[in-house]
Amino acid sequence: DTAVSQTPKYLVTQMGNDKSIKCEQNLGHDTMYWYKQDSKKFLKIMFSYNNKELIINETVPNRFSPKSPDKAHLNLHINSLELGDSAVYFCASSQGTGPNQPQHFGDGTRLSIL
Amino acid sequence: AQSVSQHNHHVILSEAASLELGCNYSYGGTVNLFWYVQYPGQHLQLLLKYFSGDPLVKGIKGFEAEFIKSKFSFNLRKPSVQWSDTAEYFCAANSGSARQLTFGSGTQLTVLP
Repeated sequence: DTAVSQTPKYLVTQMGNDKSIKCEQNLGHDTMYWYKQDSKKFLKIMFSYNNKELIINETVPNRFSPKSPDKAHLNLHINSLELGDSAVYFCASSQGTGPNQPQHFGDGTRLSIL
Repeated sequence: AQSVSQHNHHVILSEAASLELGCNYSYGGTVNLFWYVQYPGQHLQLLLKYFSGDPLVKGIKGFEAEFIKSKFSFNLRKPSVQWSDTAEYFCAANSGSARQLTFGSGTQLTVLP
């Protein structure tokens, strides 16, 4: 059973389109995250939700809108896609309220903008 | 600002060689440190973590790391690497009440058979 699953795994689309990436975790965790990994493999936090509430929102363009319908899901919607949005997007989850809980990552969604 | 630095961008070793990957952090106060591995085309997997206590931590697959507070370092080691250790290795940290991880830029390890 996949603990943190993301769909789709690959997403190829044109500039200006709107797309969504879905993430689900079956670990019973209460905190979920979105990270962006650029072409140089650098990973950076984008958002974090705890029990469906936004707790971290880094300096990400407002074209990116996370949505958490319940604590097992954290979806990422992106409007008006730009070339610079091409990256691998990783969802992750962790349990508990402390920062020392390890995060479990999904397989990533490779987004390519044409 | 909080940051994590990995100065080795690409390390190439022969099988059975010893490995040490550097990681330095700049955090005030209590810090939690992690090493993750990313095999080609796969997600990040936790290798080991340090929160407190014994500064020498052992992880999966024969990896270990040593927390040296005076040097702000958390270097990853393995006495004898295998071809299957070829992957990207990321050092990460967080502190205080902040759960989000700050990652280093990663080190690509290539092990030659």
